[in-house]
Amino acid sequence: QVQLVQSGAEVKKPGASVKVSCKASGYTFTAYYMHWVRQAPGQGLEWMGCINPNSGVTNYAQKFQGRVTMTGDTSIRTAYMEVRGLRSDDTAVYYCARSVAVDGPNDYWGQGTPVTVSS
Amino acid sequence: HSALTQPRSVSGSPGQSVTISCTGTSSDVGGYNYVSWYQQHPGKAPKVIIYDVSKRPSGVPDRFSGSKSGNTASLTISGLQAEDEADYYCCSYAVNNNVLFGGGTELTVL
Repeated sequence: QVQLVQSGAEVKKPGASVKVSCKASGYTFTAYYMHWVRQAPGQGLEWMGCINPNSGVTNYAQKFQGRVTMTGDTSIRTAYMEVRGLRSDDTAVYYCARSVAVDGPNDYWGQGTPVTVSS
Repeated sequence: HSALTQPRSVSGSPGQSVTISCTGTSSDVGGYNYVSWYQQHPGKAPKVIIYDVSKRPSGVPDRFSGSKSGNTASLTISGLQAEDEADYYCCSYAVNNNVLFGGGTELTVL
């Protein structure tokens, strides 16, 4: 069965970086895009971007360009999302979610990784 | 790119129908038939219930239906049940390989 298992909760200080991982199983990793979506406490979903693990090509939401990097390691079927220069408003649950194309629905989601940014 | 516009909350009694709207622009909702809807229960990851405007993934009850007219998409839930109480988000593909979510709608089953 398809599973996306994310790394555990993180607590970071402002200005630091965080790298969240998402390990995929149960399907061909390179056949699906991996999206990253975040949700601040009590707020809605926010699309951050996606990566094609097969080609490494990324698409980032304009808001995150230059501060977020998405990568994939096909040898271990794992996607990564790094955020640099963390601010308090980056406190959120970060989800990975797969889709067959950039415009396709996200049919499987990870369990979410809480990231807290606090001094 | 701005988030898609949804009502903050809707409510209905068991057995009734409710419709949630999602308004965008010709650069997203109106320009593509790639609108999806997600259901999210508290503390859980979102679950896709409608994709490509009106298609339902296997396992999703046919009480859930989607449609689109111009720049506005809609999700209709008929025969409301207690377990439908959740947050609902629309999502659309947008120009330049972007993806936009709506602000979310809280559904209360009275």
